[in-house]
Amino acid sequence: EPEVTQTPSHQVTQMGQEVILRCVPISNHLYFYWYRQILGQKVEFLVSFYNNEISEKSEIFDDQFSVERPDGSNFTLKIRSTKLEDSAMYFCASMGGGNSPLHFGNGTRLTVT
Amino acid sequence: AQSVSQHNHHVILSEAASLELGCNYSYGGTVNLFWYVQYPGQHLQLLLKYFSGDPLVKGIKGFEAEFIKSKFSFNLRKPSVQWSDTAEYFCAVKTSGTYKYIFGTGTRLKVLA
Repeated sequence: EPEVTQTPSHQVTQMGQEVILRCVPISNHLYFYWYRQILGQKVEFLVSFYNNEISEKSEIFDDQFSVERPDGSNFTLKIRSTKLEDSAMYFCASMGGGNSPLHFGNGTRLTVT
Repeated sequence: AQSVSQHNHHVILSEAASLELGCNYSYGGTVNLFWYVQYPGQHLQLLLKYFSGDPLVKGIKGFEAEFIKSKFSFNLRKPSVQWSDTAEYFCAVKTSGTYKYIFGTGTRLKVLA
């Protein structure tokens, strides 16, 4: 069964540094998402992306965050200047169409020190 | 704003006990409803989904859920749990006119062997 793949599985970075989290969604999917889960808390929506642009974003997704689909297969989340509170598990997800469920990747655990 | 409530945060059961996890949402329009499971150290996996039709939905691993529109609820059930069902369970809602999935806070289920 096709999978969403995320790299790296764990990223440690210093406060103020830029990080890029990478995702390869399922190949024929059209909608792409980033969610995050702070340890012990709920899964929070960050952003959705369709047709090469952001379709929705949450209040969490401020100017420090950006997403890109640079080459038709990868989908990246960039955090420009990381803060301690950005430490979380970041999940990429993709969806085929309107009446499809989300398929999640294994996540990237981001630790900001 | 739309929200999803899962009132049971931690549930501990013995094997063979019956399970019911509550999920309520706040949105008056058309919804798609989902239950996802997250086994320790793994990504979110779809258990079952409701889009339309029969409000009693059967999913994988013997799980089922019932959509009760009048109660804005989508409770997850399993007649007889197994130790391998130990995981965190998330209810999610997608409302009409958006592709954003909103997740509940999750319920940690521990099944004692």
